[in-house]
Amino acid sequence: DTEVTQTPKHLVMGMTNKKSLKCEQHMGHRAMYWYKQKAKKPPELMFVYSYEKLSINESVPSRFSPECPNSSLLNLHLHALQPEDSALYLCASSQVLNRVANYGYTFGSGTRLTVV
Amino acid sequence: AQSVTQLDSQVPVFEEAPVELRCNYSSSVSVYLFWYVQYPNQGLQLLLKYLSGSTLVKGINGFEAEFNKSQTSFHLRKPSVHISDTAEYFCAVTGAGSYQLTFGKGTKLSVIP
Repeated sequence: DTEVTQTPKHLVMGMTNKKSLKCEQHMGHRAMYWYKQKAKKPPELMFVYSYEKLSINESVPSRFSPECPNSSLLNLHLHALQPEDSALYLCASSQVLNRVANYGYTFGSGTRLTVV
Repeated sequence: AQSVTQLDSQVPVFEEAPVELRCNYSSSVSVYLFWYVQYPNQGLQLLLKYLSGSTLVKGINGFEAEFNKSQTSFHLRKPSVHISDTAEYFCAVTGAGSYQLTFGKGTKLSVIP
């Protein structure tokens, strides 16, 4: 299995809703990432997990709350989002942190989030 | 710190014509370079990467790139494009021991029938 699977593929939520995005990989990768990509822009790093522990938080607002329950699963909990948070949310994994140079990332297909 | 500049935001090209997508980087340390492709409503797929060794790197779907240290470039080329190559292409860079890929702003390749 060489894939990163993200669900759901599309999500529409109101500003008062609570929802979660899910990411799963079974490649034995120990580093997992959340990226946000606005239309016609490159991906921007949000969070990095290494061995199930949060390593990097790129000053992301608290309405985004990541969670890594085990080595294969990464969640992004969403609460009280704003319309400007509408974007493609990408999950990625790599074998280990700080070895991106050797292995690169494997990306999921993303969740297209629309906040209304 | 590293940075990447993709010189063209859009590149239209006729089907079966050759194409070059340009990427320049800046870094004070050794760099590792990547090209990713993103089809509409999809995630990013690795096309090829340069870590060390031969400066000509071959990737998937008939793409290749050449690392040029003196010109700090890593341009992507394909000798004959297909309609299915229409996508956004991102050049990315990282350094030894880094956790992060730094992406360029992307180049939209449009193949015209």
